[in-house]
Amino acid sequence: DAGVIQSPRHEVTEMGQEVTLRCKPISGHDYLFWYRQTMMRGLELLIYFNNNVPIDDSGMPEDRFSAKMPNASFSTLKIQPSEPRDSAVYFCASSSSGKRTDTQYFGPGTRLTVL
Amino acid sequence: DQQVKQNSPSLSVQEGRISILNCDYTNSMFDYFLWYKKYPAEGPTFLISISSIKDKNEDGRFTVFLNKSAKHLSLHIVPSQPGDSAVYFCAASHRGSTLGRLYFGRGTQLTVWP
Repeated sequence: DAGVIQSPRHEVTEMGQEVTLRCKPISGHDYLFWYRQTMMRGLELLIYFNNNVPIDDSGMPEDRFSAKMPNASFSTLKIQPSEPRDSAVYFCASSSSGKRTDTQYFGPGTRLTVL
Repeated sequence: DQQVKQNSPSLSVQEGRISILNCDYTNSMFDYFLWYKKYPAEGPTFLISISSIKDKNEDGRFTVFLNKSAKHLSLHIVPSQPGDSAVYFCAASHRGSTLGRLYFGRGTQLTVWP
């Protein structure tokens, strides 16, 4: 079975540009999570969805960040405008239900560099 | 505010010896803990977990210990192998949280040398 798919794997952009990160969760999974990994803060949750509905977006750092999940097989995380401090690795993860004991399956990540 | 802390950014251990990775937490509501392992250019993968009703959980070479009074958990790898070299993330969730939400530490880079 295919795991969580993210694209692009690497993104280099200039400050002020719009960036869109994409994620395809594992088929049948109802929960989708967006994380950001930085040296300073480690792995932090940005937002997560259940059945395509955003449940908790308290980790979204600023209004420049937005996330959507138009259907069960696709989600986007958009940064507009991007800033150098947004440089990080962004992970998408999915799980099969809302049980806290369920494993979250992570994609390979998108390494974003904002110049 | 980091509710899950991994104070050692790196650990180096010789092959065959024990690796001990530590994790502290501040939120007394946390009752379920997990360890994830991450190789370069890959996403984290689940390794082992423990519920607060236990103080130990073992899976092969990996054992997680939980000390609730100290708000501390540790991951023991015995014996350590070069393939264990990776970043290890400690994570926690609490009974009052929205379902599925995990709090992660910053990670510890483990290097196992021959």
